[in-house]
Amino acid sequence: DTAVSQTPKYLVTQMGNDKSIKCEQNLGHDTMYWYKQDSKKFLKIMFSYNNKELIINETVPNRFSPKSPDKAHLNLHINSLELGDSAVYFCASSQGGTGYGYTFGSGTRLTVV
Amino acid sequence: LAKTTQPISMDSYEGQEVNITCSHNNIATNDYITWYQQFPSQGPRFIIQGYKTKVTNEVASLFIPADRKSSTLSLPRVSLSDTAVYYCLVGDNSYQLIWGAGTKLIIKP
Repeated sequence: DTAVSQTPKYLVTQMGNDKSIKCEQNLGHDTMYWYKQDSKKFLKIMFSYNNKELIINETVPNRFSPKSPDKAHLNLHINSLELGDSAVYFCASSQGGTGYGYTFGSGTRLTVV
Repeated sequence: LAKTTQPISMDSYEGQEVNITCSHNNIATNDYITWYQQFPSQGPRFIIQGYKTKVTNEVASLFIPADRKSSTLSLPRVSLSDTAVYYCLVGDNSYQLIWGAGTKLIIKP
C-alpha cells in the first residue's frame, strides 16, 4: 500500500549506458515530479507532469527524458549516463500543486562508474 | 519564488523542545509555509503547513508572526528518532518550490 513507489532502489551502471527509473503513485494525485538530490543534499526539481502534461522542464540535459503514460505513472529515462549523473533521484506527487504538500518516494540511488 | 534561510545544523537532547526558525523576508501574499522532514535514505516527508498565526498537529507546531517574514517549527519532547534534516519551504499553490539546504537536527541521548 505504498503511496509513491520507485524502482529500482539502487542502480549501479557504467558510463555511456542507458537506464530507466519507474515511479507509480496510488494517491490519486494529478501531478508528479522528478527531483535530483546531489551529494550536498540540495533537492532540485527536474520535471513535473500534471495530468500527463509536462508543466515544468528545468534546465536538464536532454539525455534525461520523462514519460508519463497516465497520471499515476512517471518514468525517467536517462541516455548516455555520465559520472555527474550520480545522485539520488526522487519521485513525488501532489494534488493541485505544491501548496498542499508533496508525497515523496523513497528514492533511487544512481551510481555511475 | 521566495527563498528561505535556516540554520545549517542544531543539536539538542532527548525530551527537550526544539525550535527551528526559518527566515523568509520576501514571502508573497499567496505563499504558504511548509516544513518537511527527511531521514537518511528516504524521501522528504510533509510535517506541517501554515499561512499565519499558529498551526498544531500531532507531530509539531508552527508559529508564524503577523509579518510572516519568519516561522518557527516547534518539536515537543524530541527523541533520538527525530534526528533528521528539516526543510522550510515557501510557495503558493503552484507546481514548484525552492528547496534550501535544510537544518540538520541531531538529538543526543
